[in-house]
Amino acid sequence: QVQLVESGGGVVQPGRSLRLSCAASGFTFNSYAIHWVRQAPGKGLEWVAVISFDGNKQYYADSVKGRFTISRDNSKNTLYLQMNSLRGEDTALYYCARDHSSSLVVPAAMDYWGQGTLVTVAS
Amino acid sequence: QSVLTQPPSVSGAPGQRVTISCTGSTSNIGAGFHVHWYQHLPGTVPKLLISDNTNRPSGVPDRFSGSRSGTSASLAITGLQAEDEADYYCQSYDSSLSGYVFGTGTQVTVL
Repeated sequence: QVQLVESGGGVVQPGRSLRLSCAASGFTFNSYAIHWVRQAPGKGLEWVAVISFDGNKQYYADSVKGRFTISRDNSKNTLYLQMNSLRGEDTALYYCARDHSSSLVVPAAMDYWGQGTLVTVAS
Repeated sequence: QSVLTQPPSVSGAPGQRVTISCTGSTSNIGAGFHVHWYQHLPGTVPKLLISDNTNRPSGVPDRFSGSRSGTSASLAITGLQAEDEADYYCQSYDSSLSGYVFGTGTQVTVL
């Protein structure tokens, strides 16, 4: 069955960096685009970034553009999110979610989600 | 601040029908981008409920249905059950933002 397992969350000071990982199994990883979505405490879902199946295209929410970098290693079936210059408002549960398609030509739904990893930015 | 607006909460008695609206604009729903709906129970993983405006993934009960018209979309739940208590989010794509967008979320309460 499709599984997505996030890791790498923790408590980090403002301005510092953190890298999240998402290990995938149960499907052909290199055939699907993958998203990062976050949920701040008491808030709704917020899309963060997406990467195409081959890693050649990346798109970001304005709130993280220039600070976060999404990448993937298809040989390891793993997705990453490098988060730099972290701010208090980045505190959230971060989910990785599989896109229903491979390319990003037609935006599709997110059909499988991981359990999430918690990032807390505090001094 | 989301570009897709949902009512904060809706409620209904068991067996009743409730609807959740998702109001967008000409740069997202009105531009023809698909609307998807997710169910999120506290402490669990968000679950895809409706894809591409009206499609139910395998395993989703037919009590759930989606529709889209103009710059808005709706999720209907018929025969409301206690297990339907959850947060529901619509999601689409916005060409002005060049990114994916979620609705503000709606909490469904079964009375």
